Amino acid sequence: EPEVTQTPSHQVTQMGQEVILRCVPISNHLYFYWYRQILGQKVEFLVSFYNNEISEKSEIFDDQFSVERPDGSNFTLKIRSTKLEDSAMYFCASSESAGGNTGELFFGEGSRLTVL
Amino acid sequence: DAKTTQPNSMESNEEEPVHLPCNHSTISGTDYIHWYRQLPSQGPEYVIHGLTSNVNNRMASLAIAEDRKSSTLILHRATLRDAAVYYCILRDRSGNTPLVFGKGTRLSVIA
Repeated sequence: EPEVTQTPSHQVTQMGQEVILRCVPISNHLYFYWYRQILGQKVEFLVSFYNNEISEKSEIFDDQFSVERPDGSNFTLKIRSTKLEDSAMYFCASSESAGGNTGELFFGEGSRLTVL
Repeated sequence: DAKTTQPNSMESNEEEPVHLPCNHSTISGTDYIHWYRQLPSQGPEYVIHGLTSNVNNRMASLAIAEDRKSSTLILHRATLRDAAVYYCILRDRSGNTPLVFGKGTRLSVIA
């Protein structure tokens, strides 16, 4: 069964460093998403991406964050100048369409980011 | 965004049916009702979704009230592997709004 894959599974970084989290969405999907989950808290929406541009973003997704689809398969989340509060599990997701009957999101296993 | 209300937690015995309720009294006519779950240490997983009619798939059944102000996710025979947080989410059929997770219902399954 096709799946969303994320790397790395766990990254430890020093405060102020830049981090890139990588995702390979399901191959025929066109919509891509990043979510995060701070330990013990809700899954929070960060950003959605379609047709090489951001379609929606939350208040969390400020100038510190950026997303990119550098080639036909990868979808990346870059966090510039990491802060302690960026420590969380980051989930990538993809979907075949935006909504309707095929809009279900498929999530990866997550990348755990620990900022020291 | 339309809101949903779910119990914080529920408990079930293994191999018995589980009915997970969700209230969404402010649902609009174009909102789909989605259910996702999150197993421990994993990413969220799609379970089922519906608009007006009851839906069945290999994982679960979704019973939607006639007035659409509530719905129930039914696991026909709970297994230990079904222990997870279950999220009931409304999302416009256009998909133009993001999928927004609430706190969900933490389901415990007892052997």
